[in-house]
Amino acid sequence: AQRVTQPEKLLSVFKGAPVELKCNYSYSGSPELFWYVQYSRQRLQLLLRHISRESIKGFTADLNKGETSFHLKKPFAQEEDSAMYYCALVMDTGRRALTFGSGTRLQVQP
Amino acid sequence: NAGVTQTPKFRVLKTGQSMTLLCAQDMNHEYMYWYRQDPGMGLRLIHYSVGEGTTAKGEVPDGYNVSRLKKQNFLLGLESAAPSQTSVYFCASSQTADTQYFGPGTRLTVL
Repeated sequence: AQRVTQPEKLLSVFKGAPVELKCNYSYSGSPELFWYVQYSRQRLQLLLRHISRESIKGFTADLNKGETSFHLKKPFAQEEDSAMYYCALVMDTGRRALTFGSGTRLQVQP
Repeated sequence: NAGVTQTPKFRVLKTGQSMTLLCAQDMNHEYMYWYRQDPGMGLRLIHYSVGEGTTAKGEVPDGYNVSRLKKQNFLLGLESAAPSQTSVYFCASSQTADTQYFGPGTRLTVL
């Protein structure tokens, strides 16, 4: 069965420091991976997806199939990055539902 | 566009009571999903639908039923609520499922 692991419940950094939110997955097929973010008092929203290879709000994530990882990185954290981050996996089947990790709360201190 | 809306926002039930949560989307999306969010467990899929008139079980379907009679609506029912169903419920919709759009959530407490 597919599984997404986010080992850190809380990551606290200072403004301007680099950030890396870890995500590992287990899936035997060809995965599609996403990062979703939930800011305080806002609904969950897509941050980025691996197939787009894009940078959103300074965040990037590279799929490493060898290490089955999809870590989220940003070189210089901002206070407005404080939020709950979820890594998610979609199987390549008709269901298209997301399997979420348990989430990591990023706290950026001034 | 309102996007994805959920009704109600909050609800308190007694054990054994029933209720229906309504999810509505105005984006003409084919796929709709119900998730529950519990502390330390992320979001888990309850039921989903790949089109009007279709529903299927997700990861944690027991104790819930769903219906998708209209494309824009996806209803989640609890026939006999239990304290273990205390959670925050999120609805989502998508077209190609590359991006899921989430509702604001419903906070349900079962006493």
